[in-house]
Amino acid sequence: EAGVAQSPRYKIIEKRQSVAFWCNPISGHATLYWYQQILGQGPKLLIQFQNNGVVDDSQLPKDRFSAERLKGVDSTLKIQPAKLEDSAVYLCASRAGGLQGSYEQYFGPGTRLTVT
Amino acid sequence: LAKTTQPISMDSYEGQEVNITCSHNNIATNDYITWYQQFPSQGPRFIIQGYKTKVTNEVASLFIPADRKSSTLSLPRVSLSDTAVYYCLVGDSYQAGTALIFGKGTTLSVSS
Repeated sequence: EAGVAQSPRYKIIEKRQSVAFWCNPISGHATLYWYQQILGQGPKLLIQFQNNGVVDDSQLPKDRFSAERLKGVDSTLKIQPAKLEDSAVYLCASRAGGLQGSYEQYFGPGTRLTVT
Repeated sequence: LAKTTQPISMDSYEGQEVNITCSHNNIATNDYITWYQQFPSQGPRFIIQGYKTKVTNEVASLFIPADRKSSTLSLPRVSLSDTAVYYCLVGDSYQAGTALIFGKGTTLSVSS
């Protein structure tokens, strides 16, 4: 089966500009996650969707970050305006099944954002 | 989610068996132990998950002692391509849909 797709793979912008990332999860996966990974650290959750509803966005900087998952499939993550500290890899992951069971999430290749 | 402690880095040579131990002293009854692998410029990849004793798949083995306060990920006969960061995570099986909480992981470097 096809994996999680993300685009673009790389993006360089200047601070105060806006940027958007796109994710297409594995077909049929109801749960979608956006993680931020700063160099040298493990991924950190930004937002979690169950179908098209938000389950957890407690760590999303809502003054500048927004995300949506229309129709419960594809998702976009936007940053406006970007700050230097937003330089990171943005990972999208999806998971099949309900709340219980396996912790197996499928990650995309990520988008590497550089803010100058 | 229970807190985990694992070595920051490990070095090995090709063909050796590598064992990475993770401590999770506060593991709860319903918690499962999960390991992920992350190569440079890629997203993490699920390796293995277990509850007790031993679990084996085509990639690795996971050893969990009876008290479950630690676990060991065993990689048989590593190759250069096993150079990666390995993350140990512990979480309630009834909350498996929640987000993963990653630490810094163990950076494994395999040399020829």
